Amino acid sequence: LAKTTQPISMDSYEGQEVNITCSHNNIATNDYITWYQQFPSQGPRFIIQGYKTKVTNEVASLFIPADRKSSTLSLPRVSLSDTAVYYCLVPVTGGGNKLTFGTGTQLKVEL
Amino acid sequence: DAGVIQSPRHEVTEMGQEVTLRCKPISGHNSLFWYRQTMMRGLELLIYFNNNVPIDDSGMPEDRFSAKMPNASFSTLKIQPSEPRDSAVYFCASSLSLRDGRVKQYFGPGTRLTVT
Repeated sequence: LAKTTQPISMDSYEGQEVNITCSHNNIATNDYITWYQQFPSQGPRFIIQGYKTKVTNEVASLFIPADRKSSTLSLPRVSLSDTAVYYCLVPVTGGGNKLTFGTGTQLKVEL
Repeated sequence: DAGVIQSPRHEVTEMGQEVTLRCKPISGHNSLFWYRQTMMRGLELLIYFNNNVPIDDSGMPEDRFSAKMPNASFSTLKIQPSEPRDSAVYFCASSLSLRDGRVKQYFGPGTRLTVT
C-alpha cells in the first residue's frame, strides 16, 4: 500500500514561489505521482502528474528525483486564489485506479 | 465536455429517510468512484466501479449504504435509513482506466448531505 506524507499546512505571501514536498517511499515502478488541488466546497481538481525528472504545465511544475521516493510541487508566484488544500497521491498498490487521499497540505496565501 | 454531473447539489433530510445521490460520469470514462468528505475523516473512498462492475466496496461504512451502476452513464449511491452521522459532502469521480500507471480522476461538484 503506497502512502504519502506531506506537511499539514504552509503559509506564503502573494508573489512568492511555493514548494510542497511529498514523500512516497514505497512507490511502485510503474506508478505516476499525481497532485490535486481542492478549494472549499468544491471537488478536488487535477493539477499535474509525472513519473520522473520534471513536468511543467501552465499551473505548476513537478520535480521528481531519480529515486522517485519524493516529489515537489512548485507553484510560481502564488496569489490569494491559490489558497487551497493540495494532495499528493500515488495509486494504491494492486488497487487498479484506486487513489487514497491523505490529509493534504493546507496552503494559505496572504497579502 | 460537461464534466462529472452530480445531483442534487444539496440535500436536507430527516433521520430515517432514504437518500439517493446521483452521478453522471464523463462520457467515455470506464471507472467511477464515490467518495465522502468530512472534517473529521477527510476524503474517503466508498466504492469504485470499473466497466459498471463494483470492484472495491471496502470503504462502504455499513449495510445502510448501497451503490449501483446500471449503465456506463449513470450511478447512484443510496443511504437507507439515513442517520445524522451520514452528513457530509459526497463526491463522484470518473476516470479512464489506463494500464500504464497513470491514474487521473475527474471530480464532480459534490452533494452536500445534511441529515437532521
